[in-house]
Amino acid sequence: EVQLVESGGGLIQPGRSLRLSCAASGFTFGDFALNWVRQAPGKGLEWVGFIKSKASNGATNYAASVKGRFTISRDDSKSIAYLQMDNLKIEDTAVYYCTRVPNWGQGTLVTVSS
Amino acid sequence: DIQMTQSPSSLSASIGDRVTMTCRASQNITKFLIWLQQKPGKAPKLLIYAVSSLQSGVPSRFSGSGSGTDFSLTIRTLQPEDFATYYCQQTYSTPLTFGGGTKVEIK
Repeated sequence: EVQLVESGGGLIQPGRSLRLSCAASGFTFGDFALNWVRQAPGKGLEWVGFIKSKASNGATNYAASVKGRFTISRDDSKSIAYLQMDNLKIEDTAVYYCTRVPNWGQGTLVTVSS
Repeated sequence: DIQMTQSPSSLSASIGDRVTMTCRASQNITKFLIWLQQKPGKAPKLLIYAVSSLQSGVPSRFSGSGSGTDFSLTIRTLQPEDFATYYCQQTYSTPLTFGGGTKVEIK
């Protein structure tokens, strides 16, 4: 059974950094691209970015709203993807999901507030 | 960026109704269109990919159609568990944009 489990969310002050993790199981992690998607409270879905497989050079791509502040990486030996979030803003408050089509994790809540 | 516009933003329907919602892309996305269902407090769930292909395990009362810029999701006979918010997403080009969602409520 495919599982994606996000962790690392919490309450953080504006301007600080936070790293989310997405632990995967049930499939050959290194063969697949992974996306991060977020959802602000009461709002719709917003794509954050993705990381391709190593076979595709591990290329990354980001939404304009996070480019230059967020970095996606992966550790295929541990089957974990990361979302490093720097210089956090209040508008980054959201539930963050990792996804590998067709599967989604349960999400982790990040609250940016002073 | 490709803009995805869903309509209506919400609808009320009864059990057994046939429900259709639409999704329009701001440019041609060929068949790179998926539909997701999300229930309150839960992660989204993939229903349909490549416009009309039903994801494994999804009931056959769900169907998708369209091409180019105009797409639709139909629920043939609405069931109690179908009350949720539905999102379309284009996977044609980055940024991978979502529609604003259609919330299906009980009449």
